[in-house]
Amino acid sequence: DQQVKQNSPSLSVQEGRISILNCDYTNSMFDYFLWYKKYPAEGPTFLISISSIKDKNEDGRFTVFLNKSAKHLSLHIVPSQPGDSAVYFCAASANNAGNMLTFGGGTRLMVKP
Amino acid sequence: DTEVTQTPKHLVMGMTNKKSLKCEQHMGHRAMYWYKQKAKKPPELMFVYSYEKLSINESVPSRFSPECPNSSLLNLHLHALQPEDSALYLCASSQDHLVTDEKLFFGSGTQLSVL
Repeated sequence: DQQVKQNSPSLSVQEGRISILNCDYTNSMFDYFLWYKKYPAEGPTFLISISSIKDKNEDGRFTVFLNKSAKHLSLHIVPSQPGDSAVYFCAASANNAGNMLTFGGGTRLMVKP
Repeated sequence: DTEVTQTPKHLVMGMTNKKSLKCEQHMGHRAMYWYKQKAKKPPELMFVYSYEKLSINESVPSRFSPECPNSSLLNLHLHALQPEDSALYLCASSQDHLVTDEKLFFGSGTQLSVL
């Protein structure tokens, strides 16, 4: 049973517009959430994270929103750039499990010029 | 230096071969991880080393044998692999695996093909 789900396998967005990537989780013990970006044949690169005590974290063009009651988080990228085209993984960890990350299935973002 | 370096980048091996994957970090991290990623799937945890001791083994077959010679190095010894073991093998590190609110730093991975 997948504890972290990214229901959209792909997303296509025009350059300059907003990209919204979604992630749902089922394990109520998760209290730290991360987004990683991955290019083909490379390792995931950390993008942004959020602790469960917050509902929003912003870093430049990237903002992550957390809705604990809905067990849902989203990553907003604005404005989107062609270089943002990659696979984005949502990941979660639980306080009692240290840094053992559970990853979602990933969403492939394509930003068209 | 915020890099995790993995070698080799690509590896092709037969089912009777013995090979090793290597991972190195110089960030002073005390936790190191091996993940396996199949195509179009998320990374899956294999092993966690904490302070050079094997802390977690996610029921990985014995044909995969991890080793942590020192706090900066992590190896994965491969023997008698199957074609279904072909995948991208990712190494990662973090300050301490028992501390949450920390991000993992990943290497670029070794793309392994078993013939």
